[in-house]
Amino acid sequence: GAGVSQSPSNKVTEKGKDVELRCDPISGHTALYWYRQSLGQGLEFLIYFQGNSAPDKSGLPSDRFSAERTGGSVSTLTIQRTQQEDSAVYLCASSLGGARPYEQYFGPGTRLTVT
Amino acid sequence: AQRVTQPEKLLSVFKGAPVELKCNYSYSGSPELFWYVQYSRQRLQLLLRHISRESIKGFTADLNKGETSFHLKKPFAQEEDSAMYYCALTRAAGNKLTFGGGTRVLVKP
Repeated sequence: GAGVSQSPSNKVTEKGKDVELRCDPISGHTALYWYRQSLGQGLEFLIYFQGNSAPDKSGLPSDRFSAERTGGSVSTLTIQRTQQEDSAVYLCASSLGGARPYEQYFGPGTRLTVT
Repeated sequence: AQRVTQPEKLLSVFKGAPVELKCNYSYSGSPELFWYVQYSRQRLQLLLRHISRESIKGFTADLNKGETSFHLKKPFAQEEDSAMYYCALTRAAGNKLTFGGGTRVLVKP
């Protein structure tokens, strides 16, 4: 079956522009996660969705970052007024969710470059 | 706060030699520990989890609560083991993963 997919795979944007990153989780997975992978910071958690709700947004680095999930499926991570330090690979993962920490399946990532 | 430390950024070993990747964690509760691997140009994938107590691709990892460690070991490294390895932690009834900084393993022929 299809795994987690993300689009675009690469995005180059100018500083100050807004970007939207998309994640399509595995069908039936109720939990969805966004992480960021950067040279200086390693792999950092950004936000977690259970269904359409986000009970944990603790990793969002600033109010320029927001995310939503609709229909318990697709999620969009939006970065407003991008800065050069936002350059990173943004990873999405999904899992069965619930109380148990089921295995998280990762997407291929979106490489964001802010020039 | 939960934290995962992987002290080695790079491990270089010869094929057939043993390899051990260190992972130490700090967490006040009862965590679940994982090892994730990312091969070149592939997505991050689960290698093993402590609760399963299994061996995957010849790798094993033992959770030592006294030393708060979850080191990954393989007795005979293969060239195809060259990859980036991440130790990760989550709450036993949790959700987000907290990752270590990663260890790049290079297995030389």
